[in-house]
Amino acid sequence: GAVVSQHPSRVICKSGTSVKIECRSLDFQATTMFWYRQFPKQSLMLMATSNEGSKATYEQGVEKDKFLINHASLTLSTLTVTSAHPEDSSFYICSAYRGDTFGSGTRLTVV
Amino acid sequence: QQQVKQSPQSLIVQKGGISIINCAYENTAFDYFPWYQQFPGKGPALLIAIRPDVSEKKEGRFTISFNKSAKQFSLHIMDSQPGDSATYFCAASLSGSARQLTFGSGTQLTVLP
Repeated sequence: GAVVSQHPSRVICKSGTSVKIECRSLDFQATTMFWYRQFPKQSLMLMATSNEGSKATYEQGVEKDKFLINHASLTLSTLTVTSAHPEDSSFYICSAYRGDTFGSGTRLTVV
Repeated sequence: QQQVKQSPQSLIVQKGGISIINCAYENTAFDYFPWYQQFPGKGPALLIAIRPDVSEKKEGRFTISFNKSAKQFSLHIMDSQPGDSATYFCAASLSGSARQLTFGSGTQLTVLP
């Protein structure tokens, strides 16, 4: 079956620094990937839709300059959290393959 | 229009019992209804999904019941096991090759041994 690989699984960074999260489709090509954010004991909230070779589409309320998305190839999308702050600490998850196959998630902690 | 409402928020079931989680949607244009299982610190895993042209789909111990007129669908877990203890999310999406999912709020299932 389709596999979506996400790295890193955990990252701790200092406030003000940037962090990059990778989402890879291992055995299929993904023209579209999705990025979600999940706070503890809450549901998944769509942040943005990543389209290969074009600009990402952000959901209302998501700062595009803070959450930079790059989808430069058919197998890789990256999410960069710029100038991270403690309130950005969360669980970030990507999906691909018709949007219903998810990566294992990245736990970001900003200290 | 895009909401998916899920209940209950939490559910405790004895081993061997039936777990039932319900969802309701508003947008009649939704045409794909998956259920996900999520363990702590992991991404959601697709359990089972249904389209509105069928009223029921069964895969092993998991069954989706779908009521198009009521705009409701539910997940039934038969012979629930302690290993089923996880958070379950229903979701819905519009048609298309890349599905943007709208998730329910989640149900924390605990199966007691």
